[in-house]
Amino acid sequence: KAGVTQTPRYLIKTRGQQVTLSCSPISGHRSVSWYQQTPGQGLQFLFEYFSETQRNKGNFPGRFSGRQFSNSRSEMNVSTLELGDSALYLCASSAGTSGSNEQFFGPGTRLTVL
Amino acid sequence: GQNIDQPTEMTATEGAIVQINCTYQTSGFNGLFWYQQHAGEAPTFLSYNVLDGLEEKGRFSSFLSRSKGYSYLLLKELQMKDSASYLCAVTGGNTGKLIFGQGTTLQVKP
Repeated sequence: KAGVTQTPRYLIKTRGQQVTLSCSPISGHRSVSWYQQTPGQGLQFLFEYFSETQRNKGNFPGRFSGRQFSNSRSEMNVSTLELGDSALYLCASSAGTSGSNEQFFGPGTRLTVL
Repeated sequence: GQNIDQPTEMTATEGAIVQINCTYQTSGFNGLFWYQQHAGEAPTFLSYNVLDGLEEKGRFSSFLSRSKGYSYLLLKELQMKDSASYLCAVTGGNTGKLIFGQGTTLQVKP
């Protein structure tokens, strides 16, 4: 079974631009969660999608948004990029409807904002 | 609010035992995960505790006390490849939301 995949792996953007990141979960997984990882803040929850609906949202500004498609693939978008958005963006998929299910992480997208 | 505390850094010797502690204060607690993350890589699952007690899995064991809001990860027979960041994360409710601690960077020395 293929693992969680994320594209692109690396991205360089400039302030004010927008970016779209993609995540393909493990086949059969319906929940996709997104996290931002920075050296100073650690891993922070962005949002979770389940069956095309946002089920939970972290404390990030509205510039951060996401969606999930009928095949469970998910995208997240960051508009009006700021220097502080430079981070590793990780997505994780899980199988069931319970929060107790193990989350499998993708390799991440390393975003650098110049 | 939600708060998860772990030591920032730890150092141990190859072949030794190390215990990484995690204390938490969260609402709607469901269970606690431990993940391992090597530099430049994604986190990988180590353990999940829901009930009080110790869960052993090879060289790694994880303990949970729900009443005390406390968990630890025990690594035995340390190997150089165990040098990594260890992340404690709690989950609550019927969602996939994980709240992570800052992580503990473990350095294993020869």
